[in-house]
Amino acid sequence: RKEVEQDPGPFNVPEGATVAFNCTYSNSASQSFFWYRQDCRKEPKLLMSVYSSGNEDGRFTAQLNRASQYISLLIRDSKLSDSATYLCVVNNAGNMLTFGGGTRLMVKP
Amino acid sequence: GAVVSQHPSWVICKSGTSVKIECRSLDFQATTMFWYRQFPKQSLMLMATSNEGSKATYEQGVEKDKFLINHASLTLSTLTVTSAHPEDSSFYICSARERQGINEKLFFGSGTQLSVL
Repeated sequence: RKEVEQDPGPFNVPEGATVAFNCTYSNSASQSFFWYRQDCRKEPKLLMSVYSSGNEDGRFTAQLNRASQYISLLIRDSKLSDSATYLCVVNNAGNMLTFGGGTRLMVKP
Repeated sequence: GAVVSQHPSWVICKSGTSVKIECRSLDFQATTMFWYRQFPKQSLMLMATSNEGSKATYEQGVEKDKFLINHASLTLSTLTVTSAHPEDSSFYICSARERQGINEKLFFGSGTQLSVL
């Protein structure tokens, strides 16, 4: 089993739709969690950190479920510009940062 | 926000030559930097963790003698691909970790596309 797993997609959704991605992690000692966005041939950019209490930033909501060992990202009112690959990143104890394989989102007119 | 500068952004070189990629944290000190490689349509694969003032920690399967990492200061880490071959052609990205108390963020360089002929 991979340490961090994501559904690769692609998720094809119409503009205005709500879409959610999950990311599961295998190490119960994982401490920090992040969602990154990566456009083709560009560097990943931090979208949001994921806190135990969950957090929201505009149309984006991230949640952490430690019991089931997954984090989620919800995007409301999808825009064309949201089309990208969304990477789940998990920080285990120490310096280990593990990336999920990414989930591709394509928002269509 | 914090900025990480990586250059060059694009390199084309002949097989057998060495290529150096620099990664700088511009407005914060990064005791730890990371080097990744990304092949088309795949996720980032961690190559090594670079700690300032000490030897890098390489992931399994990454040849330390081929991918030389130097982290001589708190703001600069370099990756040298020695005797590059066409199979080394890839997108290389560095990142630096910024810690502020219990919070931490990871910032990425803009990446280097290496093409070995």
